[in-house]
Amino acid sequence: DIVMTQSPDSLAVSLGERATINCKSSQSVFSSSHNKNYLAWYQQKPGQPPKLLIYWASTRESGVPDRFSGSGSGTDFTLTISSLQAEDVAVYYCQQYYNTPLAFGPGTKVEIK
Amino acid sequence: QVQLVQSGAEVKKPGSSLTVSCKASGGTFSSYDFSWVRQAPGQGLEWMGMISPISGTTTYAQKFQGRLTITADESTTTTYMYLSSLRSEDTAVYFCARDQFAYYYDSSDYYPQGFWGQGTLVTVSS
Repeated sequence: DIVMTQSPDSLAVSLGERATINCKSSQSVFSSSHNKNYLAWYQQKPGQPPKLLIYWASTRESGVPDRFSGSGSGTDFTLTISSLQAEDVAVYYCQQYYNTPLAFGPGTKVEIK
Repeated sequence: QVQLVQSGAEVKKPGSSLTVSCKASGGTFSSYDFSWVRQAPGQGLEWMGMISPISGTTTYAQKFQGRLTITADESTTTTYMYLSSLRSEDTAVYFCARDQFAYYYDSSDYYPQGFWGQGTLVTVSS
């Protein structure tokens, strides 16, 4: 099974500043046959279901603000919020969908400093 | 637009069984895989299993093998999650989720979950 880890567990960032979340998979989630990384990022606000933000490691879902960006390949990935807004306060999860069992990281809580 | 509507909150006794339904609207039901994900109070997301309605193929996380059954009814565009032998540790919010892409999108085996139900709170307590 692929195990996902995230760092940090939580971070507090001032409004307008950059937030960076790291995600690591225990084995590569890159498919050479499809030339894609099978890695997604979700945002979850209290009392709500998760919302898909980014897939294929760097493709932003329709309607997601461009301050959210994803990068990385293989086993190491990053979600960046370039200019934190109040509405970005949430828990962020990475997920590998390279194989089953699909697996989420433990989450990173983002707060306003 | 795609909408997933789940059944309501449940309170269950230890040892009993649970069924949660998830009715999908919008899109072609059989073209997308559905997953079930749970979240214990204050905890992260845990993938439980998935079903491909067009083939009926199911895949379950090892942790739930023997206790979990996922089905799909194309006539009512509803997927069901059945969990038996409930224990207190099964107290959680259960989510159904539909894949972002249809199974034929690019021949990938798996896709991210682009649409989620509202969640069903299940409390297991004596």
